[in-house]
Amino acid sequence: ELKVEQNPLFLSMQEGKNYTIYCNYSTTSDRLYWYRQDPGKSLESLFVLLSNGAVKQEGRLMASLDTKARLSTLHITAAVHDLSATYFCAVDRETSGSRLTFGEGTQLTVNP
Amino acid sequence: GAGVSQSPSNKVTEKGKDVELRCDPISGHTALYWYRQSLGQGLEFLIYFQGNSAPDKSGLPSDRFSAERTGGSVSTLTIQRTQQEDSAVYLCASSLVRGITEAFFGQGTRLTVV
Repeated sequence: ELKVEQNPLFLSMQEGKNYTIYCNYSTTSDRLYWYRQDPGKSLESLFVLLSNGAVKQEGRLMASLDTKARLSTLHITAAVHDLSATYFCAVDRETSGSRLTFGEGTQLTVNP
Repeated sequence: GAGVSQSPSNKVTEKGKDVELRCDPISGHTALYWYRQSLGQGLEFLIYFQGNSAPDKSGLPSDRFSAERTGGSVSTLTIQRTQQEDSAVYLCASSLVRGITEAFFGQGTRLTVV
């Protein structure tokens, strides 16, 4: 069974600081996705990582994928309050019919 | 359409009643997914449709749950004889090609069983 674990699950940080969210998964996977969810809202796609060594950046967020270590990171640079949300990573495998298996989510709070 | 549309946005039902949740995917998207998110919990896969292939129903929690997709477009998730533990947000997503592109999610239907 494919398992996806995120840490930390809760993160409170000050504006201007840097931090990294980690996403570990249990078996070989084809693709990794990062999503953002604001309270009471749906999920917004942030990044799609398709291969080992993939790195993508959007604003203050940067995601990377190491398929050998079965690890993805979401790095936050100089955090701002608007980044407060819950961040989910998800993995799919072609052999499982492409259903996404999600991590538990990391609830990020950026304090002014 | 511009995005994945779900209806209703909120549904309150009495225990034991049947409910139908609707999802209208992005036009042209061949893959459609249903997930469930309980309060404070992660996302639980329910069912996946891809084109005309047989759906992957492996995530449906019981035989009270069923889903269909008509004409390769709109999908309906039906929950029969609802129970309080069915209370959750039901999210629908669609993607252009099976597993290749990211899934785009609708706003969800918040189901409350009283």
